[in-house]
Amino acid sequence: ETGVTQSPTHLIKTRGQQVTLRCSSQSGHNTVSWYQQALGQGPQFIFQYYREEENGRGNFPPRFSGLQFPNYSSELNVNALELDDSALYLCASSTSGGVWDEQFFGPGTRLTVL
Amino acid sequence: RKEVEQDPGPFNVPEGATVAFNCTYSNSASQSFFWYRQDCRKEPKLLMSVYSSGNEDGRFTAQLNRASQYISLLIRDSKLSDSATYLCVVNGISNNNDMRFGAGTRLTVKP
Repeated sequence: ETGVTQSPTHLIKTRGQQVTLRCSSQSGHNTVSWYQQALGQGPQFIFQYYREEENGRGNFPPRFSGLQFPNYSSELNVNALELDDSALYLCASSTSGGVWDEQFFGPGTRLTVL
Repeated sequence: RKEVEQDPGPFNVPEGATVAFNCTYSNSASQSFFWYRQDCRKEPKLLMSVYSSGNEDGRFTAQLNRASQYISLLIRDSKLSDSATYLCVVNGISNNNDMRFGAGTRLTVKP
């Protein structure tokens, strides 16, 4: 296992609600990236946090927001949930955010929006 | 045009076969390249980094052609345990570690 943990493992919400997903990075890693993976697709980059600052963002609306804490764990918040937000949400940690750094993925949180 | 395009497959091959996956990427500014493997209902895991000189790891060989913006993965002597989805990844388009994944190529190795 990678040492990256995510909670919860599964979540069911209704449209319009808000959700918070959590990720604990691997020991020694200061960078966390979040991805959304729809069924049958590859992961899509949401954003990255490096040392508590956002360090890049993909093509996701502002209702997707995040935080990184001093221990480098991270949260992904999604407001005003839509049906299309149903997906597997993956976080990945890496040592420094360098372009050749291996990213270590957690097992994901499966979100279902009804 | 998608940023990273892969043949979705599925590829169904017998044990011992050689199989090749291809991937193209659209942004010439991409800085680094990888193949990740994802087993069913599991998280992606790094299989290989892909360098300009190409690289080999046992039965796996990866090649990069920057001029054609093309990445390949060759698997020789396929094993049942190679059955998985193989994700082509490019990184560093905007100087951040914002990895862009292809949709994946699904491989099934049969006895």
